[in-house]
Amino acid sequence: AQSVAQPEDQVNVAEGNPLTVKCTYSVSGNPYLFWYVQYPNRGLQFLLKYITGDNLVKGSYGFEAEFNKSQTSFHLKKPSALVSDSALYFCAVGSNYKLTFGKGTLLTVNP
Amino acid sequence: DAGVIQSPRHEVTEMGQEVTLRCKPISGHNSLFWYRQTMMRGLELLIYFNNNVPIDDSGMPEDRFSAKMPNASFSTLKIQPSEPRDSAVYFCASRQGGDNQPQHFGDGTRLSIL
Repeated sequence: AQSVAQPEDQVNVAEGNPLTVKCTYSVSGNPYLFWYVQYPNRGLQFLLKYITGDNLVKGSYGFEAEFNKSQTSFHLKKPSALVSDSALYFCAVGSNYKLTFGKGTLLTVNP
Repeated sequence: DAGVIQSPRHEVTEMGQEVTLRCKPISGHNSLFWYRQTMMRGLELLIYFNNNVPIDDSGMPEDRFSAKMPNASFSTLKIQPSEPRDSAVYFCASRQGGDNQPQHFGDGTRLSIL
């Protein structure tokens, strides 16, 4: 069985500061890892994915994520946070057609 | 490009009534997923279609729930009879290709059963 953990329910950062949203996973075999963002009253929007290759993956809106196989982690990062980045972020692992989501991390960027 | 389209966006109805949620996936996508999102349980996969065929409906909570995909451009999720505990946001997502491809979500239907 596959699982995803997002250890922080909430993350608060100041605008302009770097942000990290943490994710760890458990899956047999090679993982397909995804990050999604959800704004209020909207569906989940795809940010980026890791399939294979470089451990640093770049995605939409300046976000990137670092895959670490030994730590089974896939943390989402951005060098300089914007107030408009405030949203709910989900990490997911894909296997056998299913996406298993973490519980989500609410990111608040303070002006 | 048009994304996944869901209707209605909001539905309020009384307990015992039939509810039908609709989804139009992105053209050319071969997989379709129905999810339910609640504060308590997060995102739950209800059913998965591949090439219009239901592959896994193990997430459908009860016999009151049913889903169909009569063609590649349309799917429905029906609840009959509805109960207050069915209140949630229901999402449809579609995907082209395999597990290494992202799913694309609609904006959901917020369902309230009174």
